[in-house]
Amino acid sequence: AQSVSQHNHHVILSEAASLELGCNYSYGGTVNLFWYVQYPGQHLQLLLKYFSGDPLVKGIKGFEAEFIKSKFSFNLRKPSVQWSDTAEYFCAVKIRGSQGNLIFGKGTKLSVKP
Amino acid sequence: KAGVTQTPRYLIKTRGQQVTLSCSPISGHRSVSWYQQTPGQGLQFLFEYFSETQRNKGNFPGRFSGRQFSNSRSEMNVSTLELGDSALYLCASSSVYNEQFFGPGTRLTVL
Repeated sequence: AQSVSQHNHHVILSEAASLELGCNYSYGGTVNLFWYVQYPGQHLQLLLKYFSGDPLVKGIKGFEAEFIKSKFSFNLRKPSVQWSDTAEYFCAVKIRGSQGNLIFGKGTKLSVKP
Repeated sequence: KAGVTQTPRYLIKTRGQQVTLSCSPISGHRSVSWYQQTPGQGLQFLFEYFSETQRNKGNFPGRFSGRQFSNSRSEMNVSTLELGDSALYLCASSSVYNEQFFGPGTRLTVL
């Protein structure tokens, strides 16, 4: 079965530190890729997405992600985190052609110390 | 545009009961997907509806069912509740661009 792996369960950073959250998926075909964020007490929000084209995609709030097809990876990055980035981050994959089924990773909790 | 709305937000039931959760998608979105979120299993896909038809189904028992109405609103039903059904149930709607927008969820507690 297809799966999505997020390598870090909990990441703790100080403000202004750089962030990289890993995401790998197991599927050899064409996929759409997503990063969602869930702030404390709020619902899941789309951070960024990749469908095709430039493998470096930019999202909201200064986040970006790079799709590396050969590594089946879609890592999330931010050059300088803020306390307000404290949240849980989910990587998700949709197999092209499947209907409605996002396959999620287990999530990474990010805690940013002020 | 108003976002995805889900009702009720919180629900407490006892084992053996059944429950119905409701989801209203973003206006114009015809696809509605349902997910179960638990600390142990994370987010798992339940099913997806488009134009009143179930197009895809996850690996959940038949106690979990859903439907979609002509106005795209969707309901999911869980019969014969078990303790393990305690979870946050999320609804997501999407347009033709395949981006899914999530609602706030319904927190179901089974006692």
